[in-house]
Amino acid sequence: RKEVEQDPGPFNVPEGATVAFNCTYSNSASQSFFWYRQDCRKEPKLLMSVYSSGNEDGRFTAQLNRASQYISLLIRDSKLSDSATYLCVVKRSGGGADGLTFGKGTHLIIQP
Amino acid sequence: EPEVTQTPSHQVTQMGQEVILRCVPISNHLYFYWYRQILGQKVEFLVSFYNNEISEKSEIFDDQFSVERPDGSNFTLKIRSTKLEDSAMYFCASSPGDRGNTEAFFGQGTRLTVV
Repeated sequence: RKEVEQDPGPFNVPEGATVAFNCTYSNSASQSFFWYRQDCRKEPKLLMSVYSSGNEDGRFTAQLNRASQYISLLIRDSKLSDSATYLCVVKRSGGGADGLTFGKGTHLIIQP
Repeated sequence: EPEVTQTPSHQVTQMGQEVILRCVPISNHLYFYWYRQILGQKVEFLVSFYNNEISEKSEIFDDQFSVERPDGSNFTLKIRSTKLEDSAMYFCASSPGDRGNTEAFFGQGTRLTVV
């Protein structure tokens, strides 16, 4: 079983629409969860951390379900600039030593 | 805004040659990392480094790889005898490392092509 699984897409979505991505992770001991964004041939950039209570940052809302080992990202009022690959990322512990485990990413295309 | 910088941006090398990829992490960060991304594949963790020694490494980080912090600013990844399958984008990252503040900041990457 893959450690972090995501639907690769692509998701083709009209500008202004709401889009949701899901992700599942296999390691129940995972402690930290993130969504990163990666533009073509660029480095991953942190979009937001994901907390158990769910959290929101502007148009972006992230949810975590530890029982189901499931993470989601909701983007409201999508913009052309949201076009990118969204990476679901987990970390075994809350400390600094452990590396990040990345999903392969979900490709999002916002159409005008 | 502080950032992680990597050099070179592109490196082409012949199979069997040694390469050194260089990184300057963000200055007050404590943890440093190397990741790689083969074209079309996911980002994969290679190694983490703290207090001048390796903290964690993945199964990818075998004997042909080594890391070093030769001075107070640079963090290097050496690949001793490159293979064709080492062709990838290599990302350096750094993190403050405090509990609850482990966001990893990534450099722009070095694209390594082994021919």
